[in-house]
Amino acid sequence: DAKTTQPPSMDCAEGRAANLPCNHSTISGNEYVYWYRQIHSQGPQYIIHGLKNNETNEMASLIITEDRKSSTLILPHATLRDTAVYYCIVSPLSGGYQKVTFGIGTKLQVIP
Amino acid sequence: GAVVSQHPSRVICKSGTSVKIECRSLDFQATTMFWYRQFPKQSLMLMATSNEGSKATYEQGVEKDKFLINHASLTLSTLTVTSAHPEDSSFYICSAPVRSTEAFFGQGTRLTVV
Repeated sequence: DAKTTQPPSMDCAEGRAANLPCNHSTISGNEYVYWYRQIHSQGPQYIIHGLKNNETNEMASLIITEDRKSSTLILPHATLRDTAVYYCIVSPLSGGYQKVTFGIGTKLQVIP
Repeated sequence: GAVVSQHPSRVICKSGTSVKIECRSLDFQATTMFWYRQFPKQSLMLMATSNEGSKATYEQGVEKDKFLINHASLTLSTLTVTSAHPEDSSFYICSAPVRSTEAFFGQGTRLTVV
């Protein structure tokens, strides 16, 4: 019962923008889109989240389509250290602490 | 930013022994922590929710008597793998939410049972 769909792998040239897509066609009105990444043999790292407006922070930008059925995580200038598995997650913000449930994610390989 | 520290980062133990893994929130209080397990080339699977001052909540299929969780303080949760066997070898990761869905993760513990 996957709530998100991501390509299993992507390559990106170092220094170029990495655009990671995510489909979440069954997203509910109260669900946010979250992105995490996991570098090999480390714990996951929070990147960014959003509801319907585009968001930007020091790590990345998040573009959410107007119908909220898909989103794109953008790493503006990918480096070798950005090689990781990127997870797109939808989760409600309904009070209390929500479990973060991971799918398969996209394995991003940044190429020199 | 918030930091979650996990210890040890690696442990090798003999089959039949028990192993304790600690998860600490270093600069914030965590009434709730989550424990995950990750097998090679697979995603993280949630094992249980650790609640300060009360019993942990286990996900379906996770043996509560095998994976003992103790959340004794607002900054520490422990996972004890009892009577470990080779099939318990895995990467164990804890997390602590700092806002309702945003969570910070420990660096993980690589357990190898020989």
